[in-house]
Amino acid sequence: DIVMTQSPDSLAVPLGERATIKCKSSQSVLSTSINRNYLAWYQQKPGQPPKLLVYWASTRASGVPDRFSGSGSGTDFTLTISGLQAEDVAVYYCQHCYSTPFTFGPGTRVDIK
Amino acid sequence: EVRLVQSGAEVKKPGESLKISCRASGYNFIDYWIGWVRQMPGKGLELMGFVFPGNSDTRYSPSFPGVVTMSVDKSVTTAYLRWSRLRASDTAIYYCARVAGGWTLESHFDSWGQGTLVTVSS
Repeated sequence: DIVMTQSPDSLAVPLGERATIKCKSSQSVLSTSINRNYLAWYQQKPGQPPKLLVYWASTRASGVPDRFSGSGSGTDFTLTISGLQAEDVAVYYCQHCYSTPFTFGPGTRVDIK
Repeated sequence: EVRLVQSGAEVKKPGESLKISCRASGYNFIDYWIGWVRQMPGKGLELMGFVFPGNSDTRYSPSFPGVVTMSVDKSVTTAYLRWSRLRASDTAIYYCARVAGGWTLESHFDSWGQGTLVTVSS
């Protein structure tokens, strides 16, 4: 099974500053035949279900503000929140969908400093 | 608009059975995999498995061998998650979610239900 790790476990960033979350997979989730990384990012606010933010590592989901961006390839990925807003306080999860079982990372909690 | 509406919270005793539901609307139900995700209190997300409404094909994650049964009823566009004998350790929020890839399983979840809280306590 592919194991997903995230760093840091939590971070606190001043309003308007950048938040950076790392996700690493134990093996590549890149399909070289179609040049696609099978990696998604989700946001979960307290008391709510997860919400899709980014898929294929760097494609923003519909309606997601452009301050959220995803990057990376192979085994190393990053979610960046450029200009943290109060409503961005949440736990962020990465997930691979390369081969079953699709596993989630342990999550990164983002708060306001 | 794609919507997944789950059944309400449940309180059960150990050893009891339970079936929770996830009613889909806004798209062609039989064309998209549905996944089930567990979130234990204060913990992260765990994928339990998938069911394909078109032919009731199921794929269970190795971490949940024989713990639950996934099924669908196409006539009411609803997916189900069933336990035959609950344990206290099954206490969690359970989410259903639609796989964006349609017939293709290898894809992300693009829509989520609101979650069903299951509490198992004597």
